[in-house]
Amino acid sequence: GESVGLHLPTLSVQEGDNSIINCAYSNSASDYFIWYKQESGKGPQFIIDIRSNMDKRQGQRVTVLLNKTVKHLSLQIAATQPGDSAVYFCAENTSGTYKYIFGTGTRLKVLA
Amino acid sequence: EPEVTQTPSHQVTQMGQEVILRCVPISNHLYFYWYRQILGQKVEFLVSFYNNEISEKSEIFDDQFSVERPDGSNFTLKIRSTKLEDSAMYFCATQPGQGVMNTEAFFGQGTRLTVV
Repeated sequence: GESVGLHLPTLSVQEGDNSIINCAYSNSASDYFIWYKQESGKGPQFIIDIRSNMDKRQGQRVTVLLNKTVKHLSLQIAATQPGDSAVYFCAENTSGTYKYIFGTGTRLKVLA
Repeated sequence: EPEVTQTPSHQVTQMGQEVILRCVPISNHLYFYWYRQILGQKVEFLVSFYNNEISEKSEIFDDQFSVERPDGSNFTLKIRSTKLEDSAMYFCATQPGQGVMNTEAFFGQGTRLTVV
């Protein structure tokens, strides 16, 4: 039968606007979270991380928010640029395990 | 900037054939991983490797898969008898020696495996 790839949710934003990408993680025991950016044909590229003892962490133009109560993670990108166009994945890790569990991914399209 | 290097970038193989995917980790990194990504889908964990042994593996990583670090440099993933459903992008990732907790993994550019 025909194989159908997973349909990625897509977020389209105007250049210069702020972007918010959301992620629901699966394991309440997870204590470390990462946002990765993946451009077409390339490997995941680290953007920012956050530990479970924090609610918010800021980087250059990016902010990650963690809500452990509802197992929700978000990535905010300020002043979105064309180079931000990519698929964004959240990933979770639980101490004592040796793997990341990746979320489904969100495609960000920046409109000129 | 140090990076994880994978070869080949693209491998086409016939069903039933063996393939070996190669990865050169970042120098001084001690934790190694293989992940795969079927086209249009999310990245899936296959296996982690530390101190010359498997630390953890997923259900995907069955008896057809194996990993090794034969020369202390390259980290390889072998698929003994490829199936059509093995077609995917395979990513190698590495982490520094301070442990897997609370550190990011660095990913290579991937090897696209196409089984025909």
